[in-house]
Amino acid sequence: DAMVIQNPRYQVTQFGKPVTLSCSQTLNHNVMYWYQQKSSQAPKLLFHYYDKDFNNEADTPDNFQSRRPNTSFCFLDIRSPGLGDAAMYLCATSIKGAGEKLFFGSGTQLSVL
Amino acid sequence: GENVEQHPSTLSVQEGDSAVIKCTYSDSASNYFPWYKQELGKRPQLIIDIRSNVGEKKDQRIAVTLNKTAKHFSLHITETQPEDSAVYFCAALFGFGNEKLTFGTGTRLTIIP
Repeated sequence: DAMVIQNPRYQVTQFGKPVTLSCSQTLNHNVMYWYQQKSSQAPKLLFHYYDKDFNNEADTPDNFQSRRPNTSFCFLDIRSPGLGDAAMYLCATSIKGAGEKLFFGSGTQLSVL
Repeated sequence: GENVEQHPSTLSVQEGDSAVIKCTYSDSASNYFPWYKQELGKRPQLIIDIRSNVGEKKDQRIAVTLNKTAKHFSLHITETQPEDSAVYFCAALFGFGNEKLTFGTGTRLTIIP
């Protein structure tokens, strides 16, 4: 009964090589979030979708993009990964538009070589 | 901007004793305060939350208290067990109209058998 599914669990990419991380949900929640979490740090919000409305955080680098083709799926595209982008990427959903009661996926651990 | 401070950053407690983690927030308009538990290599999971119209909430061994005047809230874990060992994040809901969670910096709790 997985609710927020992220694939793959581990992703290795090369410096500068575009990479896409995927997230799907079976909860039919209207909000989907992407967080970046580096070792021993708090999750940092990159952006979120409220239905089809995209909301970018002011300090999210242009290198990070997102797509939400339908309610169930959301993608994180990193156009030119740098060594500093190595992190755990967490997808989350919520049923309201206010960031309450987040349901997190298991995350994708991204390594950049 | 929004700010959530959390302390201590690490906490070691003898099994059976109580643990307390404290957070302060900057925006007096914040009205929702969740706590997430993250075990090593796993997703953050909501363990308890409280709204600003309530001063205390309890769920078995876990309780959260909120002092709106002082803008701080605390997590209390009683009768600690080894499975309580994890990183705990507090968070606060900021903003009006496009609310989002801001996380504290995390507390690594270790229960000593």
